[in-house]
Amino acid sequence: GIQVEQSPPDLILQEGANSTLRCNFSDSVNNLQWFHQNPWGQLINLFYIPSGTKQNGRLSATTVATERYSLLYISSSQTTDSGVYFCAVGGSARQLTFGSGTQLTVLP
Amino acid sequence: NAGVTQTPKFRVLKTGQSMTLLCAQDMNHEYMYWYRQDPGMGLRLIHYSVGEGTTAKGEVPDGYNVSRLKKQNFLLGLESAAPSQTSVYFCASSSYRGGTDTQYFGPGTRLTVL
Repeated sequence: GIQVEQSPPDLILQEGANSTLRCNFSDSVNNLQWFHQNPWGQLINLFYIPSGTKQNGRLSATTVATERYSLLYISSSQTTDSGVYFCAVGGSARQLTFGSGTQLTVLP
Repeated sequence: NAGVTQTPKFRVLKTGQSMTLLCAQDMNHEYMYWYRQDPGMGLRLIHYSVGEGTTAKGEVPDGYNVSRLKKQNFLLGLESAAPSQTSVYFCASSSYRGGTDTQYFGPGTRLTVL
């Protein structure tokens, strides 16, 4: 199956700082999504981005499918951005494979 | 519009007991999924469904059964619970409309098997 690697595994930032999270995958995909799991466990979809670039407020994402990686950018981080960020990818089937996540802590 | 709901939110079972987790969505989505999340790990797909009356195995299907008798509901059953099934279970739904296939998640069910 598809392998998904996320880096870094842990990240600690001061409020207001910018960050870049990376997702590498081992095979071609036609489905790639970024999720945020807040400290209460709720999973929120941030982007559906199998290719190209999207932006939503302070968050943006870029997927370079030919090079098998995706990046999630967080600008001007806030304490409410804390939590775990997951990348999930899928091929021709309906199954998504999740990475192990990046644990982000934003300090006030 | 409640989105995806799951019942129960918490459950404690003894080894060998059975139970059913219920997932309901009100977004008229065709696809539904059951995942499990173990500490420090990402989610792993247990079973999924591409439509009413259809189900398929995911990455970790052993020990679980599912049914989708109605489009809006997806049930996950444990016939004989084992401690290895202690986990947080998430249900999700999606629909390929407008060129996107975004998955929407329920709040999760925390299951402990003693």
